[in-house]
Amino acid sequence: EVQLVESGGGLVQPGGSLRLSCAASGFTFSSYWMHWVRQAPGKGLVWVSRINSDGSSTSYADSVKGRFTISRDNAKNTLYLQMNSLRAEDTAVYYCARDLAVAGRGYFDLWGRGTLVTVSS
Amino acid sequence: QSALTQPASVSGSPGQSITISCTGTSSDVGRYNYVSWYQQHPGKAPKLMIYEVSNRPSGVSNRFSGSKSGNTASLTISGLQAEDEADYYCSSYASSSTVVFGGGTKLTVL
Repeated sequence: EVQLVESGGGLVQPGGSLRLSCAASGFTFSSYWMHWVRQAPGKGLVWVSRINSDGSSTSYADSVKGRFTISRDNAKNTLYLQMNSLRAEDTAVYYCARDLAVAGRGYFDLWGRGTLVTVSS
Repeated sequence: QSALTQPASVSGSPGQSITISCTGTSSDVGRYNYVSWYQQHPGKAPKLMIYEVSNRPSGVSNRFSGSKSGNTASLTISGLQAEDEADYYCSSYASSSTVVFGGGTKLTVL
């Protein structure tokens, strides 16, 4: 089955760190650019970060630049998001998403179910 | 990286057509034909409905169509059905290889 499964979410204190994982299966993970998208409770979708197929190029939203790091392990078919210096406003469901386009144009054709990150003291 | 502008809500009766607008700038929607649309039902992950302005992924009903003029993209749903009631989001590729979403539109089928 073609799917993405996120894990690693939870409750963390402000200033803390968390690493999210996204396990891919059912498709050739190493061929696709991948993204993280988040959604605060009751709010809209917000793009967070993307990584190209071989992991050599990354981009970030201004709101997380310098605090979050996206990476991937194609041998393990897994995408990661290392989140440091977490703030209350980072509280959200974090989705990993596959990009349909070869050059990462932001066409998210496969999504995971999401993992909830709560930043609170 | 400012969010694209969508109406907060739209509504229509079964069988009618509705259009949701998505306004960006010359740095995103106006510059690239890399606009996509997503449908999200409560508690579910988003679903890709339209990509590259007007292309439908396999399995998406042809009642959904997309277009773009200048800095504004649009999603039209014809022959509204009860199951179309959901939140809809547009997104666009933007400068520096980033992506920006719209604030979302809640579609109510009356």
